[in-house]
Amino acid sequence: NAGVMQNPRHLVRRRGQEARLRCSPMKGHSHVYWYRQLPEEGLKFMVYLQKENIIDESGMPKERFSAEFPKEGPSILRIQQVVRGDSAAYFCASSPRGENSNQPQHFGDGTRLSIL
Amino acid sequence: AQTVTQSQPEMSVQEAETVTLSCTYDTSESDYYLFWYKQPPSRQMILVIRQEAYKQQNATENRFSVNFQKAAKSFSLKISDSQLGDAAMYFCAYSNYGGSQGNLIFGKGTKLSVKP
Repeated sequence: NAGVMQNPRHLVRRRGQEARLRCSPMKGHSHVYWYRQLPEEGLKFMVYLQKENIIDESGMPKERFSAEFPKEGPSILRIQQVVRGDSAAYFCASSPRGENSNQPQHFGDGTRLSIL
Repeated sequence: AQTVTQSQPEMSVQEAETVTLSCTYDTSESDYYLFWYKQPPSRQMILVIRQEAYKQQNATENRFSVNFQKAAKSFSLKISDSQLGDAAMYFCAYSNYGGSQGNLIFGKGTKLSVKP
């Protein structure tokens, strides 16, 4: 499967724990985006990263949330000290760079985070 | 800031009939991109169609076509010969960019039901 891979598909955490969501972009893609979808809502942009660089984090909550996209390995969205309101589906998308930078974003299947 | 509005929370169509989903947006930009994404119960985000604002010709993809009215900032999706597999949430989205280098702004979605 050469698509955007997200894991885990489902993640359950208790209040106060940490959640780590992973995203491997499509082969050849170097741009990664994270979106959050609350129940009955559309997706809301959180952060846009390139390898080792955060380009736009204007949609990230100021506290407890962080994201990285290291030189090697998947992009990680990290939520510390989770609260009930963090329960949502988190989607990752990727897109290519350079001459193919006009291509649309391709989405993963999402991670559904549930907070007990 | 750009916004996307979908005024129809739910729509229903008979199999083999045609249905139109509405979307309006607000932007001060003159060049931008508009998208329709489909989200079936499996929760995947599937790109249905994309329109570039500088192109006057409406985009089409098989049974899916758009009516892009730039002056009115309207971007409706027409589904012809509806099939049971078309049942899903449909999200209209806006971006200042074709794919890379910018985030997508989504509407709240329209839930489409298809009756056999």
